[in-house]
Amino acid sequence: GQQVMQIPQYQHVQEGEDFTTYCNSSTTLSNIQWYKQRPGGHPVFLIQLVKSGEVKKQKRLTFQFGEAKKNSSLHITATQTTDVGTYFCAGQSGTYKYIFGTGTRLKVLA
Amino acid sequence: DGGITQSPKYLFRKEGQNVTLSCEQNLNHDAMYWYRQDPGQGLRLIYYSQIVNDFQKGDIAEGYSVSREKKESFPLTVTSAQKNPTAFYLCASKNRDRGPNSPLHFGNGTRLTVT
Repeated sequence: GQQVMQIPQYQHVQEGEDFTTYCNSSTTLSNIQWYKQRPGGHPVFLIQLVKSGEVKKQKRLTFQFGEAKKNSSLHITATQTTDVGTYFCAGQSGTYKYIFGTGTRLKVLA
Repeated sequence: DGGITQSPKYLFRKEGQNVTLSCEQNLNHDAMYWYRQDPGQGLRLIYYSQIVNDFQKGDIAEGYSVSREKKESFPLTVTSAQKNPTAFYLCASKNRDRGPNSPLHFGNGTRLTVT
């Protein structure tokens, strides 16, 4: 079945350093969504990418969707302690089925 | 305020017992989902429902059952057949009228411990 992998699984950075997580799907995706889950919390929607090669920015966060629509990345510039959490990508499989990636847990050291 | 309510937050059960996790939403969403979260494995789809009285198996449906008798409610039963039921369970919903590109809204989750 369809699989969505994320790397790295864990990332520790010093506050102010950049951070990137990568998402790879075994099949072509119609779109990809990104979610953030704070420790002890639930996933919260960040953004969705639909077009091949699409790039979107939210303040210090930059999201990219690959040309082949099989991979995506999230880059955070100058991390802050508020960025701590687990970041998930989710690929759409069928009209209403979403397959989540394994997640990248980010820890920011002050 | 509109949202998704999962109860209880923590649930403890003895091995061999069935247990039902509650999920209620007042967002008027048609589609609802159950995910299981284990450390290092992300979220795995158990069941999902696009409309009342209809639901489909996800990737790890074995040992679980659901019902969708009302639009607002999508309870999940963890049966004794589920071999490793201890996990964090997340319910989500989605506005189907906004098309396939609308986001999932999650509840706060139920942490189930079976001993």
